[in-house]
Amino acid sequence: QSVLTQPPSMSAAAGQKVTISCSGSTSNIGNNYVSWYQQFPGTTPKLLIFDNNKRPSGIPDRFSGSKSGTSATLGITGLQTGDEADYYCGTWDGSLSAVVFGGGTKLTVL
Amino acid sequence: QVQLQESGPGLVKPSETLSLTCTVSGGSITTYFWSWIRQPPEKGLEWIGYFDYSGATYYNPSLRSRLTISVDTSKNQFSLKLSSVTAADTAVYYCARFLGGYRHDYWGQGTLVTVSS
Repeated sequence: QSVLTQPPSMSAAAGQKVTISCSGSTSNIGNNYVSWYQQFPGTTPKLLIFDNNKRPSGIPDRFSGSKSGTSATLGITGLQTGDEADYYCGTWDGSLSAVVFGGGTKLTVL
Repeated sequence: QVQLQESGPGLVKPSETLSLTCTVSGGSITTYFWSWIRQPPEKGLEWIGYFDYSGATYYNPSLRSRLTISVDTSKNQFSLKLSSVTAADTAVYYCARFLGGYRHDYWGQGTLVTVSS
């Protein structure tokens, strides 16, 4: 059972927008920055979003992040088949004194 | 460009100690924080622990009793030792750079460690 809760799977049509949620508590998301990672099967996770809503160099602006209270959201617009991957949120949990990740969301582009 | 490379045995027997090393190139390990993260087959990411540039270590509470992370600054490497392993420790083990805001920006390619007799 992950400390951060994500939907196990989501699907949307190519060209559409999807939002992936990450729910936590005041111990983690509520008081710390959130990051998002993209992972294709058999490959290394890649940082997509950091500090809630910032994109590393090279990440297209189709990817966005936001945070409100104890929840965070990853948004992807103009979905492409190449966006099919697993997406993870992560942050620090002050009560656990540990980095915590969500269980991951498998995105399918129809 | 920072690069990380994990190395170590791919097969460990139950009850023995899993040992991995991460070699960092393109940057000094004394400048940033560095983590170990693992991912069991078909499952999500689990943070194992990290150390900071003062050498202080921070461990996942669920693994703390079995875990040691150490640093060799002369080789720009850091290591992981996990004792008394079981099949539940079978996973791909990653090393990664850990920055402010609790993000991991550079990751190694990962190494699969299987615990089996």
